[in-house]
Amino acid sequence: GAVVSQHPSWVICKSGTSVKIECRSLDFQATTMFWYRQFPKQSLMLMATSNEGSKATYEQGVEKDKFLINHASLTLSTLTVTSAHPEDSSFYICSARDRGGSGYTFGSGTRLTVV
Amino acid sequence: GNSVTQMEGPVTLSEEAFLTINCTYTATGYPSLFWYVQYPGEGLQLLLKATKADDKGSNKGFEATYRKETTSFHLEKGSVQVSDSAVYFCALTHLGQNFVFGPGTRLSVLP
Repeated sequence: GAVVSQHPSWVICKSGTSVKIECRSLDFQATTMFWYRQFPKQSLMLMATSNEGSKATYEQGVEKDKFLINHASLTLSTLTVTSAHPEDSSFYICSARDRGGSGYTFGSGTRLTVV
Repeated sequence: GNSVTQMEGPVTLSEEAFLTINCTYTATGYPSLFWYVQYPGEGLQLLLKATKADDKGSNKGFEATYRKETTSFHLEKGSVQVSDSAVYFCALTHLGQNFVFGPGTRLSVLP
């Protein structure tokens, strides 16, 4: 079946540094990638939607200059948390939609802790 | 907009008990409905799904039926195991758009 590889699975970084999270579709072309964030004991909330080769669309309240999304190819999308702060500590997870638009595959998630 | 409501729990059951987690949704048209499971420290795993009214999704002993008339997609299992302890998310997607998740229900199964 379709697989999305998400790395790293966990990361601890110092406040003020940047962290890049990668999601790679291994056996299909991900024309659309969704990025979600999950705070402890809460549900997943959509942060942004990116289509290959175009700028991401961010949900209300999500700072596009802080959460940089790049979807330069049909198999790779990245989320960079810039100048991370402790309040950015969360579980980030991507979801890729295939070219046909009918299949969705989630990555395994990245737990970010900013100290 | 679209939304999903589910019982938040936590739900604590003894092994072999019957499980029901209620889920209702609000959406225009005919969304696809899903149940995802998240084990401690892990990502989301698709448990089951249904794409049209009256469809029944099933997997690993879990079942849910897409009820258009009651806009519901309740999750059931006849006999839970300790290994079923996890957080369960009801979700929908419509017309190829992003998922909308319910708040999640934490299930603890005691031996």
